[in-house]
Amino acid sequence: QSALTQPPSASGSPGQSVTISCTGTSSDVGAYDYVSWYQQHPGKAPKLMIYEVNRRPSGVPDRFSGSKSGNTASLTVSGLQAEDEADYYCSSYAGTNNYVLFGGGTKLTVL
Amino acid sequence: QLQLQESGPGLVKPSETLSLTCAVSGGSFNSRSYYWGWIRQPPGKGLEWIGSIYYSGSTYYNPSLKRRVSISVDTSRTHLSLNLGSVAAADMAVYYCTFGVAIDAVDLWGHGTLVTVSS
Repeated sequence: QSALTQPPSASGSPGQSVTISCTGTSSDVGAYDYVSWYQQHPGKAPKLMIYEVNRRPSGVPDRFSGSKSGNTASLTVSGLQAEDEADYYCSSYAGTNNYVLFGGGTKLTVL
Repeated sequence: QLQLQESGPGLVKPSETLSLTCAVSGGSFNSRSYYWGWIRQPPGKGLEWIGSIYYSGSTYYNPSLKRRVSISVDTSRTHLSLNLGSVAAADMAVYYCTFGVAIDAVDLWGHGTLVTVSS
């Protein structure tokens, strides 16, 4: 199985919005509404930001939102803040053999 | 507050078996269904899902690791184990213990433990 495809980097200025894409196939992202997004700061464990495509866990700011169209899921960060600078990973349930795929990660830089 | 803590050897020789344990502290899993598992991250690289065990005992593994990996839970459901056989340099990574109510959404992560593969 192949990893999900994410752009290696993204950037934006404080206050702006940035969208990170995550492309899979009709066997994973396109087949299930089980896409999650994680934020990881250097030296820290990842943190769940979005699950089931567009649901936010308690405590995650509503500046973070998720969506999906076909085989591509997206994470949008609105009103960028300095603390949003981190690596972001998408994941998707891949069904048939009950496993999970991750994207390669996107480094978000706040300019 | 529920916490996960990984433990195990930080150095494993090539071709040997990597064995890690994860202990839950600060409470117990209150969810009626949950997945307890492992995810790893090679230094400077991305995340890789290793596998999970459902609260019922069913196990699910990354197809690329399935032949070498085993995940189990003790009878008290307070310790999770990972065994990965025939390790090579590519298995060197930070190994995270994880918990979630869905197989794909990890709500809780351990701090991670670095495992180096070297003779």
